[in-house]
Amino acid sequence: AQSVTQLGSHVSVSEGALVLLRCNYSSSVPPYLFWYVQYPNQGLQLLLKYTSAATLVKGINGFEAEFKKSETSFHLTKPSAHMSDAAEYFCAVSDNFGNEKLTFGTGTRLTIIP
Amino acid sequence: NAGVTQTPKFQVLKTGQSMTLQCAQDMNHNSMYWYRQDPGMGLRLIYYSASEGTTDKGEVPNGYNVSRLNKREFSLRLESAAPSQTSVYFCASINRGLVNEQFFGPGTRLTVL
Repeated sequence: AQSVTQLGSHVSVSEGALVLLRCNYSSSVPPYLFWYVQYPNQGLQLLLKYTSAATLVKGINGFEAEFKKSETSFHLTKPSAHMSDAAEYFCAVSDNFGNEKLTFGTGTRLTIIP
Repeated sequence: NAGVTQTPKFQVLKTGQSMTLQCAQDMNHNSMYWYRQDPGMGLRLIYYSASEGTTDKGEVPNGYNVSRLNKREFSLRLESAAPSQTSVYFCASINRGLVNEQFFGPGTRLTVL
């Protein structure tokens, strides 16, 4: 069974500071990994995805994530936080054998301090 | 393209009432999903449909039924609503066979009193 663990249900950073949201996965097969963002009262939107092509993945809005197999991690980063980044972020995993079902983490709410 | 649409946006039910949440996608996707989102629990899969005419249980199917009416539409029914079903419900779709993003609808916020 696959799972993801997001460390920290709430993260606060100052505007302009580094954003680091943590995600560790557990999978018995090579995984596909995703980060989604949810703005207040909206559905989820894909930020980026890892599908084994490259370990450093760049997404929208200046976010990127690095797949580290040795650490079973897929942490999300952004060099400089912006007020518009305030949202909830979800890490998700699926296997790469045609199973499209996603398993989501419990989410991290990001607050930006002016 | 409207993407994935859901109706209604908000609903309040009394315990024991029934209702159907509607979902439609105009992207010609094969697979469709119903999730519920609860605070601190992320999204949990209720049911999914890999193609028209097929449905399968997800992680939390109890108390729900689904219908894949055609390729576009995938409905979720609560036959006898319970307070534990108070949640935000999301529908999503994806093209089968492609590791691509799931496209999500805007959600239905359901309160069961």
